[in-house]
Amino acid sequence: DIVMTQSPDSLAVSLGERASISCKSSQSLLYSSINKNYLAWYQQKPGQPPKVLIYWASTRESGVPDRFSGSGSGTDFTLTISSLQAEDVAVYYCQQYYSTPPWTFGQGTKVEIK
Amino acid sequence: EVQMVQSGAEVKKPGATVKISCKVSGYIFTDYYLHWVQQAPGRGPVWMGLVDPEDGKTEYAEKFQGRVTITADSSTDTAYLELTSLRSEDTAVYFCTAQSTKGNWFDPWGQGTLVTVSS
Repeated sequence: DIVMTQSPDSLAVSLGERASISCKSSQSLLYSSINKNYLAWYQQKPGQPPKVLIYWASTRESGVPDRFSGSGSGTDFTLTISSLQAEDVAVYYCQQYYSTPPWTFGQGTKVEIK
Repeated sequence: EVQMVQSGAEVKKPGATVKISCKVSGYIFTDYYLHWVQQAPGRGPVWMGLVDPEDGKTEYAEKFQGRVTITADSSTDTAYLELTSLRSEDTAVYFCTAQSTKGNWFDPWGQGTLVTVSS
């Protein structure tokens, strides 16, 4: 099974500042023949299910604000919130869909306001 | 609009069985795999298994093999998760979710069903 490891476990960022979350996979998620990384990012607010923000490591889901961006390739990925808003307080998870089953998630990163 | 509506919270004793439902609307039920995901308090999501609603084929995570059964009823567009031999560690929110129309990630999700296992 592919193990997904996120860092940090939590971070506190001032409103309007940048937040960056790292996600590392135990093996490459790059399908080189089509040059796509099989990685998604989700946002989960308290009492709600996860909501997909980004897939193919860097493609923003329709309706997701452009302050959210995904980058990286292979085994190292980053989710960046360019200017943190109050409504971005949540837990963020990365997920691989390269080698399934099973689908595997990171342990989560809690983003709070400083 | 695609909707996945799950059954309500359950309280069970250790050793009991729980069965949760997930009614789907807004898309053709048999077109996409349906998955179940466990999320224990304060923990990340854990994939439990999937069902292909077209033919009932299933795949289960090793962690739950032998205790989990996932089924789909295309006459009612409803999927089910049954978990047996419940223990305290099974206390969690259980989500149904569909494989996205665009790829193998999960979208949308049900609202979640809290299962509490306590004596």
